[in-house]
Amino acid sequence: NAGVMQNPRHLVRRRGQEARLRCSPMKGHSHVYWYRQLPEEGLKFMVYLQKENIIDESGMPKERFSAEFPKEGPSILRIQQVVRGDSAAYFCASSPLTDSNYGYTFGSGTRLTVV
Amino acid sequence: KQEVTQIPAALSVPEGENLVLNCSFTDSAIYNLQWFRQDPGKGLTSLLLIQSSQREQTSGRLNASLDKSSGRSTLYIAASQPGDSATYLCAVRPSESGGSNYKLTFGKGTLLTVNP
Repeated sequence: NAGVMQNPRHLVRRRGQEARLRCSPMKGHSHVYWYRQLPEEGLKFMVYLQKENIIDESGMPKERFSAEFPKEGPSILRIQQVVRGDSAAYFCASSPLTDSNYGYTFGSGTRLTVV
Repeated sequence: KQEVTQIPAALSVPEGENLVLNCSFTDSAIYNLQWFRQDPGKGLTSLLLIQSSQREQTSGRLNASLDKSSGRSTLYIAASQPGDSATYLCAVRPSESGGSNYKLTFGKGTLLTVNP
């Protein structure tokens, strides 16, 4: 079991470019959660997705950010027209169910730097 | 709104010392509490998960306790080693009655340095 896989590990984008972050959940997990860790801050919830459905995007900035989890392939967090304030570590977690006693397994994260 | 506080923000100890990291939360309606370890530039590694009905969990040199009514959890590390140096995060998951029970609320972490 390869765990939660995120790529790329590091991503550098110029202001105004698009950033695409990918997350493949653990085998058998159909629930994906994205968190953002800003410098000197704790991790903050962004969005919760199941296959082909966005369940809760209350933590996502209203503009420029979007997420998807297609029927096939990884979950994608997309940030359009990046700004310096988007520089952060973005973590993905997965779980098999939301109502189980299972804890969350996190990936290694993608560190986005906007220059 | 749940708030999670971790004290101290940083801790430096000599190798071999036993130590305690603290985590407090404002809303006792929790489903579980999870302790993670984060190494610099790396992801989160789950250390211990305590369900709301449990008082403690142990794994090797680590012991985590939970006092839900007082909103506190501690992570006890016995016989610390330089390899234990990392940031330790606690995260609280709300109970079913709290709604959105899949959202973890994290503390900012305790940066632990164990000196050889």
